[in-house]
Amino acid sequence: AQSVTQLDSQVPVFEEAPVELRCNYSSSVSVYLFWYVQYPNQGLQLLLKYLSGSTLVKGINGFEAEFNKSQTSFHLRKPSVHISDTAEYFCAVSDIKGGSEKLVFGKGTKLTVNP
Amino acid sequence: KAGVTQTPRYLIKTRGQQVTLSCSPISGHRSVSWYQQTPGQGLQFLFEYFSETQRNKGNFPGRFSGRQFSNSRSEMNVSTLELGDSALYLCASSPSHGGTAYEQYFGPGTRLTVT
Repeated sequence: AQSVTQLDSQVPVFEEAPVELRCNYSSSVSVYLFWYVQYPNQGLQLLLKYLSGSTLVKGINGFEAEFNKSQTSFHLRKPSVHISDTAEYFCAVSDIKGGSEKLVFGKGTKLTVNP
Repeated sequence: KAGVTQTPRYLIKTRGQQVTLSCSPISGHRSVSWYQQTPGQGLQFLFEYFSETQRNKGNFPGRFSGRQFSNSRSEMNVSTLELGDSALYLCASSPSHGGTAYEQYFGPGTRLTVT
């Protein structure tokens, strides 16, 4: 079964500083990887996805992630964060079986951006 | 295009009761998935429906059930509610045609509190 590990449950950072949220996955087959963001009392919004091709993926709100197959990682980065980036971030891997696709999520990383 | 809508947004029920949650997917999306989000277990897959058929199911007891209608709208039902069923229930829709990864678009969720 596929699994996702988000190595940090909480990440505090100052405004305009860079940030990296770490994600490792376990899979022996082709993977499709996603990062979602959840603001308080809201659902999940897709930040970016890796399906194939270039290992550097750019998403919305200035976020990017790098797919590293040898290290089974998909870390999320932003060069300069804003207060509005305070939210919970989830890494997910797509598990496709019998034509059905489900997302397997990590436990989430709470990013707090301080002024 | 309207997003995924879920009703109701908040619900308070008593142990032993049953509850029905509703989800309307994005127009044209035929796949609807349900996830349970709790602080302890994180985001867990409940089931996925495609063309009115359950295509995949997570590891939840039979008290959790769902269905999908011909217009792709979906409902999930939880019978004999337990305190541990208190959670945010998220619905996601996808244009999935099976066998490949598609983005899942999430609704705002239904917050269920069992007392």
